[in-house]
Amino acid sequence: EIVLTQSPDFQSVTPKEKVTITCRSSQSIGSSLHWYQHKPDQSPKLLIKYASLSISGVPSRFSGSGSGTDFTLTINSLEAEDAATYYCHQSSSLPWTFGQGTKVEIK
Amino acid sequence: EVQLLESGGGLVQPGGSLRLSCAASGLTFSNFAMSWVRQAPGKGLDWVSAISVSGGSTYYADSVKGRFTISRDNSKNTLYLEMNSLGAEDTAVYYCAKDAAYGSYFDNWGQGALVTVSS
Repeated sequence: EIVLTQSPDFQSVTPKEKVTITCRSSQSIGSSLHWYQHKPDQSPKLLIKYASLSISGVPSRFSGSGSGTDFTLTINSLEAEDAATYYCHQSSSLPWTFGQGTKVEIK
Repeated sequence: EVQLLESGGGLVQPGGSLRLSCAASGLTFSNFAMSWVRQAPGKGLDWVSAISVSGGSTYYADSVKGRFTISRDNSKNTLYLEMNSLGAEDTAVYYCAKDAAYGSYFDNWGQGALVTVSS
């Protein structure tokens, strides 16, 4: 099973700051890595597909990079509505797995 | 607009059974693989099971293998998850999720169904 490890687990950030979340895979997964935003009492929302590809309707301040085993989600100029937990997810091999999540709090 | 609507959640005793349904609309359901993903209280997202477009191939997390059965009825645009021998560790919100393509990302999610296993 491929294990995804995110860092940090928690981040408290002021508005307009830049947020960087990393996701490390226990084995190489190419670019089969996707990012989701999950807010309480809502369903998860796809942010980035295949490591760096943008999703229609997602604000341009969200971007992704990386390949192989190391990936990054960047939120440029954080807004209050970005308070959420962020998850990476690999679709390289079954079982599909998620990172443990990174909670972003707005100061 | 794609909509996925789960139903069938509730309170069940340990060792009991429950069947979740996920009604899909706004898409050609039979063209897409589907998955179930759960979130236990205070925990992260956890993939549970997936099914191919025809239903001929199914996949399970080790934690539910042999206890849960995923199925689909393409004529009814509905996905199912039959859960047996439930334990406290199965308490979670269960989401159905549409695969953009097999082995890719989840581009649509339902609102979730809460399953509580408790005596």
